[in-house]
Amino acid sequence: NAGVTQTPKFRILKIGQSMTLQCTQDMNHNYMYWYRQDPGMGLKLIYYSVGAGITDKGEVPNGYNVSRSTTEDFPLRLELAAPSQTSVYFCASSYATGTIGTQYFGPGTRLLVL
Amino acid sequence: QKEVEQDPGPLSVPEGAIVSLNCTYSNSAFQYFMWYRQYSRKGPELLMYTYSSGNKEDGRFTAQVDKSSKYISLFIRDSQPSDSATYLCAMSWAGGTSYGKLTFGQGTILTVHP
Repeated sequence: NAGVTQTPKFRILKIGQSMTLQCTQDMNHNYMYWYRQDPGMGLKLIYYSVGAGITDKGEVPNGYNVSRSTTEDFPLRLELAAPSQTSVYFCASSYATGTIGTQYFGPGTRLLVL
Repeated sequence: QKEVEQDPGPLSVPEGAIVSLNCTYSNSAFQYFMWYRQYSRKGPELLMYTYSSGNKEDGRFTAQVDKSSKYISLFIRDSQPSDSATYLCAMSWAGGTSYGKLTFGQGTILTVHP
């Protein structure tokens, strides 16, 4: 199993541009998450999904959108990029039942908005 | 007040030392407590998981939870240079729409020098 994969690894965006961060998992997990990590700030939940077709906002959803059309994929869309969205973005997935907290993380996407 | 507080460090110790990492929290509903380890430029990985109060040991690692004090700890015995990483505490409670959602501390940067 590849686990959770994310593309791209690194991207530079200009202010006002848009992009989609891709996330795919091959573990047949129902739950998927998007986090952002800023230096010294831990991980903040942006959006999460409990299954295909079901998404909900996390702690910091403004400026982002998500969709979940399949179990495997959970893309994160940035519209009108702003410097405040410079961060490292992590996608994670977990089983719907079983051990809460066992989230499997991808390697991250580093985004720089200039 | 943040829901979860963690001293960001950095913490630098010699090889073989006992390391103590701590988090405090304010939400008494938290029932599940985790420690994640994050190597530089990698995604977090689950290190220890504890439900409710008590101790849990896994090799050189011991996790402690004191719900009465809202305080959790991670101890690393005989620390090794390979333990150098950022350690993130995380918590959750299994209630309604919060199921599976984690609240993270800021992370503590640990360096173990030979």
